[in-house]
Order: sequence, then structure tokens, then C-alpha cells
Amino acid sequence: AQTVTQSQPEMSVQEAETVTLSCTYDTSENNYYLFWYKQPPSRQMILVIRQEAYKQQNATENRFSVNFQKAAKSFSLKISDSQLGDTAMYFCAFMKEGYSGGSNYKLTFGKGTLLTVNP
Amino acid sequence: DTAVSQTPKYLVTQMGNDKSIKCEQNLGHDTMYWYKQDSKKFLKIMFSYNNKELIINETVPNRFSPKSPDKAHLNLHINSLELGDSAVYFCASSRDRDQPQHFGDGTRLSIL
Repeated sequence: AQTVTQSQPEMSVQEAETVTLSCTYDTSENNYYLFWYKQPPSRQMILVIRQEAYKQQNATENRFSVNFQKAAKSFSLKISDSQLGDTAMYFCAFMKEGYSGGSNYKLTFGKGTLLTVNP
Repeated sequence: DTAVSQTPKYLVTQMGNDKSIKCEQNLGHDTMYWYKQDSKKFLKIMFSYNNKELIINETVPNRFSPKSPDKAHLNLHINSLELGDSAVYFCASSRDRDQPQHFGDGTRLSIL
């Protein structure tokens, strides 16, 4: 079974600075997807960024980028120019690829990192 | 133009009651999911349907029964509610099984 570990339960950063949230995962699969989701106090779950394991290039979405190290099974999220609206719980998630059975396609989440952006 | 909508947003009820949570998506997606988020914010898959067919059924008490009348709807019915069922339940959908999942706003279920 896949596991996702987020070792930082809480982090804080000053507005406009850069912060990196860490995530490691354990899998024997070669093909999979990795995601970062954001959950602000409003409770919504918002997709931040997605990475396909077969792609060597790190995904980026505006101020959000990842450092994907497949051999190390590491998938960290970097937030540049942090804004107050980035305050949220951030979840790293893993999904197997392939059509071999129903155990695929489910998102396995880490326990989350609560990020606070201070003014 | 809400993409994934759940009703109700809040549900407060007594132990032993039966309740349903409805979910609808207007994205034209083929796959829908139910997740449970516990008091420690941990999210876990419960069920998934693809084109009205059940494809994921995790270890969930059989008091929980999903129903998908069509591709756009996936409802969750819970019988004989227990204190441990208190949680936030999220519905999600994706274009296909391996595509990013879009979540609803969640339903906070509180059992008295």
C-alpha cells in the first residue's frame, strides 16, 4: 500500500517570502501522479499542482512549483512571494496510474501541513 | 456555476438516525468520489463510481451506501448514525479515473 508522509505539521512564513513544504511517499509503482491540494479555513479543497511521475520536468503554476525527486520519492512544494491568502492546510497526495483494478485512482493523502502566512 | 455541489453543507442529527448527503457535478465528468475528513483533518477515500459503476469500495461500515442514479450524481446514505461518523464528507469528481479530482465544499456532519 502507498503511504504519503508530510513531516511538518505546521509552518509559518512572512508575507512575500518563499517557503517549501516537504512530502515523501512510499510506492513500488513506476507510473503514478502526485498532487498538492490546499484547504483554506473556508474548508474547500483546491488543486494547487499536479505532477506525472514519467515527466522529469518539475510542474509549475504561477507562484507554486514542485521539486520532484523520483529516486528519492520526494515531492516538495515551493511557494514564492507568499501572500496572506496562501494561509491554509496543504495536503500532498498520491495516485497510482493504470487501469488494472479499482485500487487505482484513489487519492492517498498525507496528514497535511498547516501553513500560516504572517503580515 | 458551481462545479461540484453538495447538500446540505451542515447536518446535525441524533445518534441512530438515517441521513443522506447529495452530490451533483455539472462538469460532465465520468468519475465521482466520496471522501471522509476526520477531526484531525485526515482525508480518506470511501467510494468511487465511474459511469455509474462502483470501482472503489474501501473498508467502510455497510451502514454507508452510495447511490449513483446517473453520471452527474453520487449520493451518500448513512443508516443508524454513530458518534464516530461525525466528520466532514467531501464529494469529488474527475473527467476520468486518472485525472485531477475537483472537490465540493464538504458537508459537516455532527452527531449528538
